[in-house]
Amino acid sequence: QLQLQESGPGLVRPSETLSLTCTVSGASISSTSYSWAWIRQPPGKGLEWVGTISYSGSTSYNPPLNSRVTMSVDTSENQFSLKLSSLTAADTAVFYCARLRHDFRNYVTIDSWGQGTLVTVSS
Amino acid sequence: DIQMTQSPSSLSASVGDRVTITCRASQGISKYLAWFQQKPGNAPKSLIYGASSLESGVPSKFSGSGSGTDFTLTISSLQPEDVATYYCQQYNSYPLTFGGGTKVEIK
Repeated sequence: QLQLQESGPGLVRPSETLSLTCTVSGASISSTSYSWAWIRQPPGKGLEWVGTISYSGSTSYNPPLNSRVTMSVDTSENQFSLKLSSLTAADTAVFYCARLRHDFRNYVTIDSWGQGTLVTVSS
Repeated sequence: DIQMTQSPSSLSASVGDRVTITCRASQGISKYLAWFQQKPGNAPKSLIYGASSLESGVPSKFSGSGSGTDFTLTISSLQPEDVATYYCQQYNSYPLTFGGGTKVEIK
Protein backbone atom coordinates (compact mmCIF):
# COMPACT_ATOMS: atom_id res chain seq x y z
CA GLN A 1 0.00 0.00 0.00
CA LEU A 2 1.33 3.40 -0.99
CA GLN A 3 2.43 5.70 1.81
CA LEU A 4 3.95 9.15 1.60
CA GLN A 5 5.55 10.62 4.72
CA GLU A 6 6.78 14.18 5.03
CA SER A 7 9.66 15.01 7.35
CA GLY A 8 11.44 18.19 8.30
CA PRO A 9 11.58 20.97 10.88
CA GLY A 10 8.37 22.30 12.32
CA LEU A 11 9.85 25.72 13.03
CA VAL A 12 12.08 27.77 10.77
CA ARG A 13 13.37 31.30 11.24
CA PRO A 14 12.58 34.11 8.80
CA SER A 15 15.04 34.48 5.89
CA GLU A 16 16.23 30.88 6.32
CA THR A 17 15.74 27.94 3.96
CA LEU A 18 13.19 25.20 4.59
CA SER A 19 14.14 21.64 3.71
CA LEU A 20 11.48 18.94 3.57
CA THR A 21 11.69 15.32 2.49
CA CYS A 22 8.94 12.97 1.37
CA THR A 23 9.65 9.27 1.83
CA VAL A 24 7.67 7.03 -0.49
CA SER A 25 6.86 3.43 0.44
CA GLY A 26 4.80 0.91 -1.45
CA ALA A 27 5.79 2.28 -4.85
CA SER A 28 8.95 3.11 -6.75
CA ILE A 29 9.72 6.77 -7.18
CA SER A 30 11.44 5.80 -10.44
CA SER A 31 8.21 4.61 -12.05
CA THR A 32 7.50 6.33 -15.36
CA SER A 33 3.79 6.28 -14.54
CA TYR A 34 4.08 8.91 -11.82
CA SER A 35 5.45 12.31 -10.90
CA TRP A 36 5.68 13.82 -7.43
CA ALA A 37 4.54 17.12 -6.00
CA TRP A 38 4.52 19.47 -3.05
CA ILE A 39 1.32 21.32 -2.16
CA ARG A 40 0.89 23.69 0.75
CA GLN A 41 -2.01 25.04 2.79
CA PRO A 42 -1.71 28.09 5.05
CA PRO A 43 -3.68 27.69 8.29
CA GLY A 44 -7.40 28.11 7.61
CA LYS A 45 -6.85 28.69 3.90
CA GLY A 46 -6.95 26.80 0.62
CA LEU A 47 -4.51 24.62 -1.28
CA GLU A 48 -1.57 25.95 -3.31
CA TRP A 49 0.54 23.88 -5.69
CA VAL A 50 4.25 24.45 -5.00
CA GLY A 51 5.92 22.30 -7.63
CA THR A 52 6.23 18.96 -9.40
CA ILE A 53 9.18 16.72 -10.16
CA SER A 54 9.26 13.74 -12.48
CA TYR A 55 11.09 10.47 -11.96
CA SER A 56 13.82 11.82 -14.24
CA GLY A 57 14.24 15.00 -12.23
CA SER A 58 12.53 17.48 -14.55
CA THR A 59 10.66 20.12 -12.60
CA SER A 60 7.81 22.63 -12.80
CA TYR A 61 7.36 25.25 -10.13
CA ASN A 62 4.58 27.66 -9.28
CA PRO A 63 5.72 30.98 -10.82
CA PRO A 64 5.32 33.12 -7.67
CA LEU A 65 7.67 30.70 -5.88
CA ASN A 66 9.95 29.89 -8.79
CA SER A 67 12.93 31.92 -7.61
CA ARG A 68 12.85 30.34 -4.13
CA VAL A 69 12.01 26.68 -4.83
CA THR A 70 14.22 23.71 -5.61
CA MET A 71 12.97 20.13 -5.82
CA SER A 72 15.06 16.99 -6.17
CA VAL A 73 14.68 13.22 -6.31
CA ASP A 74 16.80 10.59 -4.56
CA THR A 75 15.97 7.30 -6.24
CA SER A 76 18.32 5.32 -4.00
CA GLU A 77 16.32 6.36 -0.93
CA ASN A 78 12.96 6.47 -2.73
CA GLN A 79 12.53 10.05 -1.59
CA PHE A 80 11.97 13.47 -3.06
CA SER A 81 12.72 16.79 -1.45
CA LEU A 82 11.76 20.45 -1.34
CA LYS A 83 13.90 23.46 -0.52
CA LEU A 84 12.20 26.84 -0.09
CA SER A 85 14.47 29.80 0.59
CA SER A 86 14.08 33.33 1.98
CA LEU A 87 11.22 32.35 4.20
CA THR A 88 8.72 34.83 5.63
CA ALA A 89 5.72 34.42 7.90
CA ALA A 90 3.57 34.13 4.78
CA ASP A 91 5.20 30.75 4.11
CA THR A 92 3.74 29.29 7.30
CA ALA A 93 1.65 26.35 6.10
CA VAL A 94 0.98 22.65 6.18
CA PHE A 95 3.11 21.13 3.43
CA TYR A 96 1.80 17.99 1.73
CA CYS A 97 3.71 15.71 -0.58
CA ALA A 98 1.64 13.94 -3.20
CA ARG A 99 1.82 11.46 -6.05
CA LEU A 100 0.66 12.45 -9.52
CA ARG A 101 -0.56 9.75 -11.87
CA HIS A 102 0.08 10.14 -15.61
CA ASP A 103 -2.70 9.39 -18.06
CA PHE A 104 -2.16 8.15 -21.62
CA ARG A 105 -1.76 11.74 -22.83
CA ASN A 106 0.71 12.46 -20.02
CA TYR A 107 -1.63 14.75 -18.11
CA VAL A 108 -1.10 14.29 -14.38
CA THR A 109 -3.69 14.03 -11.62
CA ILE A 110 -3.07 13.83 -7.87
CA ASP A 111 -4.04 10.39 -6.63
CA SER A 112 -2.37 10.11 -3.22
CA TRP A 113 -1.41 12.54 -0.45
CA GLY A 114 0.88 12.46 2.55
CA GLN A 115 -0.52 13.37 5.96
CA GLY A 116 1.14 16.79 5.85
CA THR A 117 3.61 18.59 8.08
CA LEU A 118 3.09 22.01 9.64
CA VAL A 119 5.92 24.44 9.07
CA THR A 120 5.88 27.65 11.09
CA VAL A 121 8.11 30.54 10.13
CA SER A 122 8.86 32.60 13.21
CA SER A 123 11.77 34.05 15.10
CA ASP B 1 -2.83 31.04 -15.03
CA ILE B 2 -6.23 29.33 -15.02
CA GLN B 3 -8.41 30.59 -12.19
CA MET B 4 -10.82 28.14 -10.56
CA THR B 5 -13.93 29.53 -8.89
CA GLN B 6 -16.12 27.38 -6.66
CA SER B 7 -19.63 28.11 -5.46
CA PRO B 8 -21.01 28.25 -2.94
CA SER B 9 -18.15 28.83 -0.52
CA SER B 10 -20.18 27.03 2.13
CA LEU B 11 -23.47 25.20 2.42
CA SER B 12 -25.57 23.56 5.07
CA ALA B 13 -27.87 20.68 4.16
CA SER B 14 -29.88 17.97 5.88
CA VAL B 15 -28.92 14.32 6.09
CA GLY B 16 -30.17 12.61 2.96
CA ASP B 17 -30.17 15.74 0.83
CA ARG B 18 -28.65 15.87 -2.62
CA VAL B 19 -25.79 18.37 -2.61
CA THR B 20 -24.24 20.02 -5.66
CA ILE B 21 -21.05 22.08 -5.77
CA THR B 22 -20.03 24.08 -8.83
CA CYS B 23 -16.56 24.82 -10.15
CA ARG B 24 -15.84 27.18 -13.02
CA ALA B 25 -12.55 27.55 -14.88
CA SER B 26 -11.44 30.89 -16.31
CA GLN B 27 -10.71 29.16 -19.62
CA GLY B 28 -11.48 25.81 -21.14
CA ILE B 29 -9.78 22.83 -19.52
CA SER B 30 -11.50 20.00 -21.40
CA LYS B 31 -12.10 17.32 -18.75
CA TYR B 32 -8.85 17.82 -16.84
CA LEU B 33 -10.51 18.49 -13.53
CA ALA B 34 -10.21 16.74 -10.19
CA TRP B 35 -12.16 16.94 -6.94
CA PHE B 36 -10.76 16.46 -3.43
CA GLN B 37 -12.36 16.04 -0.01
CA GLN B 38 -10.65 17.39 3.09
CA LYS B 39 -12.11 16.49 6.44
CA PRO B 40 -11.23 18.72 9.41
CA GLY B 41 -7.67 18.15 10.57
CA ASN B 42 -6.90 15.69 7.78
CA ALA B 43 -5.04 15.66 4.49
CA PRO B 44 -7.07 15.99 1.31
CA LYS B 45 -8.35 12.81 -0.30
CA SER B 46 -8.68 12.37 -4.04
CA LEU B 47 -12.27 11.71 -5.10
CA ILE B 48 -12.65 12.29 -8.83
CA TYR B 49 -10.39 12.78 -11.84
CA GLY B 50 -11.13 13.44 -15.47
CA ALA B 51 -14.18 15.42 -14.32
CA SER B 52 -16.28 12.28 -13.77
CA SER B 53 -14.12 9.23 -12.99
CA LEU B 54 -14.11 8.00 -9.39
CA GLU B 55 -10.80 7.17 -7.76
CA SER B 56 -10.53 3.62 -6.48
CA GLY B 57 -12.50 3.06 -3.30
CA VAL B 58 -14.59 6.23 -3.53
CA PRO B 59 -18.29 5.50 -2.89
CA SER B 60 -20.68 5.91 -5.77
CA LYS B 61 -22.70 8.55 -3.93
CA PHE B 62 -20.08 10.96 -5.26
CA SER B 63 -20.34 11.92 -8.92
CA GLY B 64 -18.82 14.55 -11.15
CA SER B 65 -19.79 16.06 -14.45
CA GLY B 66 -18.90 18.82 -16.87
CA SER B 67 -16.32 19.78 -19.43
CA GLY B 68 -14.79 22.94 -20.80
CA THR B 69 -15.31 25.58 -18.13
CA ASP B 70 -18.22 24.38 -15.97
CA PHE B 71 -18.14 21.41 -13.62
CA THR B 72 -20.18 19.99 -10.77
CA LEU B 73 -19.62 17.62 -7.88
CA THR B 74 -22.74 15.94 -6.53
CA ILE B 75 -23.24 14.01 -3.31
CA SER B 76 -26.41 12.00 -3.87
CA SER B 77 -27.40 11.57 -0.23
CA LEU B 78 -25.52 13.65 2.32
CA GLN B 79 -24.32 11.79 5.39
CA PRO B 80 -22.56 13.04 8.54
CA GLU B 81 -19.27 11.53 7.35
CA ASP B 82 -19.39 13.79 4.29
CA VAL B 83 -18.83 16.91 6.40
CA ALA B 84 -15.70 18.35 4.83
CA THR B 85 -14.31 21.02 2.55
CA TYR B 86 -14.31 20.08 -1.12
CA TYR B 87 -11.81 21.47 -3.62
CA CYS B 88 -11.68 21.36 -7.40
CA GLN B 89 -8.38 21.50 -9.26
CA GLN B 90 -7.47 21.82 -12.91
CA TYR B 91 -4.60 19.90 -14.44
CA ASN B 92 -5.00 21.03 -18.03
CA SER B 93 -1.90 23.21 -17.74
CA TYR B 94 0.75 24.44 -15.37
CA PRO B 95 0.60 26.03 -12.90
CA LEU B 96 -1.83 23.55 -11.35
CA THR B 97 -4.55 25.58 -9.63
CA PHE B 98 -7.23 24.88 -7.05
CA GLY B 99 -10.61 26.36 -6.35
CA GLY B 100 -11.13 28.16 -3.06
CA GLY B 101 -13.08 25.32 -1.51
CA THR B 102 -16.67 24.63 -0.47
CA LYS B 103 -17.34 23.83 3.16
CA VAL B 104 -20.20 21.34 3.57
CA GLU B 105 -21.99 21.08 6.90
CA ILE B 106 -25.03 19.27 8.26
CA LYS B 107 -28.09 21.38 9.06
